[in-house]
Amino acid sequence: DTGVSQDPRHKITKRGQNVTFRCDPISEHNRLYWYRQTLGQGPEFLTYFQNEAQLEKSRLLSDRFSAERPKGSFSTLEIQRTEQGDSAMYLCASSSPKGRRAGANVLTFGAGSRLTVL
Amino acid sequence: DQQVKQNSPSLSVQEGRISILNCDYTNSMFDYFLWYKKYPAEGPTFLISISSIKDKNEDGRFTVFLNKSAKHLSLHIVPSQPGDSAVYFCAASNTGNQFYFGTGTSLTVIP
Repeated sequence: DTGVSQDPRHKITKRGQNVTFRCDPISEHNRLYWYRQTLGQGPEFLTYFQNEAQLEKSRLLSDRFSAERPKGSFSTLEIQRTEQGDSAMYLCASSSPKGRRAGANVLTFGAGSRLTVL
Repeated sequence: DQQVKQNSPSLSVQEGRISILNCDYTNSMFDYFLWYKKYPAEGPTFLISISSIKDKNEDGRFTVFLNKSAKHLSLHIVPSQPGDSAVYFCAASNTGNQFYFGTGTSLTVIP
């Protein structure tokens, strides 16, 4: 297993276009997270899945954003009608929590997909 | 509302000396804290974690200290090495599901 893979690594698009990012998590991980990171900021939580169920969404995730994980394996994050404010690094992470005890959930991140909206 | 804060954007340390990176949080419900390291063009990599039932956790050259009353944690790296030069993020959680990250501290270890 080569870790968490994200594709594409870079995407340049014009305002108003739709973009889709793909994340392939570590195969045995049942949780998958999407984060967004802008310059000078830390990663901001967008949403996460447990298997195919989307369990939590941030208020940052406007109705132009949709994430899916149809078979509980890979996930896609689609942004419709992109805006310049969507320019950011989109990070995917996966994990396999071993219960509720502290230390049970460690996220493994991919290298990210950088979006530039012109 | 920035619930996790790293007030030092950058830090420079001589090789062999101690690096101390600080992090403050506002949510008293946080019970699990992590440090991540990030190199350019890579995703963050997990470094070390601590539960709120502990006040110290050590892993080799890395030690994390937690002061719950002050809502403060710190990461100590000793001795610092040039390969430690990276951006360090602290993160916190109260459910083990959603993690809140700080804005990062860029550490430079000078040979």
